[in-house]
Amino acid sequence: GENVEQHPSTLSVQEGDSAVIKCTYSDSASNYFPWYKQELGKRPQLIIDIRSNVGEKKDQRIAVTLNKTAKHFSLHITETQPEDSAVYFCARTDSWGKLQFGAGTQVVVTP
Amino acid sequence: GAVVSQHPSWVICKSGTSVKIECRSLDFQATTMFWYRQFPKQSLMLMATSNEGSKATYEQGVEKDKFLINHASLTLSTLTVTSAHPEDSSFYICSASGLAGREQYFGPGTRLTVT
Repeated sequence: GENVEQHPSTLSVQEGDSAVIKCTYSDSASNYFPWYKQELGKRPQLIIDIRSNVGEKKDQRIAVTLNKTAKHFSLHITETQPEDSAVYFCARTDSWGKLQFGAGTQVVVTP
Repeated sequence: GAVVSQHPSWVICKSGTSVKIECRSLDFQATTMFWYRQFPKQSLMLMATSNEGSKATYEQGVEKDKFLINHASLTLSTLTVTSAHPEDSSFYICSASGLAGREQYFGPGTRLTVT
C-alpha cells in the first residue's frame, strides 16, 4: 500500500525545548491522521489526531498541523519534559479505512 | 470507555506448536478488528483486518493458513499462529474500531517468543 514517510528517525532535545516530527504521504484519499506515542513494550497510545477538513489542532503542549495540498502533517511538542521520551508514530488511513504507520521517531528528552 | 484487552500478555512456546491470542473489546461493539505485528525497533505492520462474521482480509505477504483469524462476535477476535517458528517471535497487537475509518483502540499487545 501507500507508505507514510516519517522524519527524523531519532530526535534528542533538551528539556523545555520544542520537538517537531514530520510525515508525508502520497494517497490523496487519506482523511484521518492520528499520532501515537509508544513506550517500550506497551501499546501505542493516541495522543492527537486531525481530520482532513482541519488544518491545525492543539491540545495543551501538543499540536498537529496538516497541509493536504502538500500532503504532509507534523507533530509539535512544546516545553518538552523527560516523560515525553518515547517512540512517536504518525499514521494515516487509506481508502479502505486501514491505518498505515510511519517508521517512528525515537524522542529523547534530556534533563 | 473504549477498552481493548488481549490475552495472554506474553507467551513462550516451542517451535512447531500453535498459539492462540485473544482480543476483546470490553465496553463497545467492534465491527472491525485489526491485527498488527511489531518487530523490535520497527513500526506496526498490519497483518489482517477482520469483520465480525466474515473472513479476514490479509495483507500482502501474510500467510492466511499460518495466521488464522476468527472474529466470532462483536467483542472477540482471535489470532492463532500455527506451527510457530522462531522468526514468528514478535509483539502482536490488536486494535478494534466501532466504525471503519475512525479511531482504532489498541490492545496491550502479546509478546510471543518461539524457542
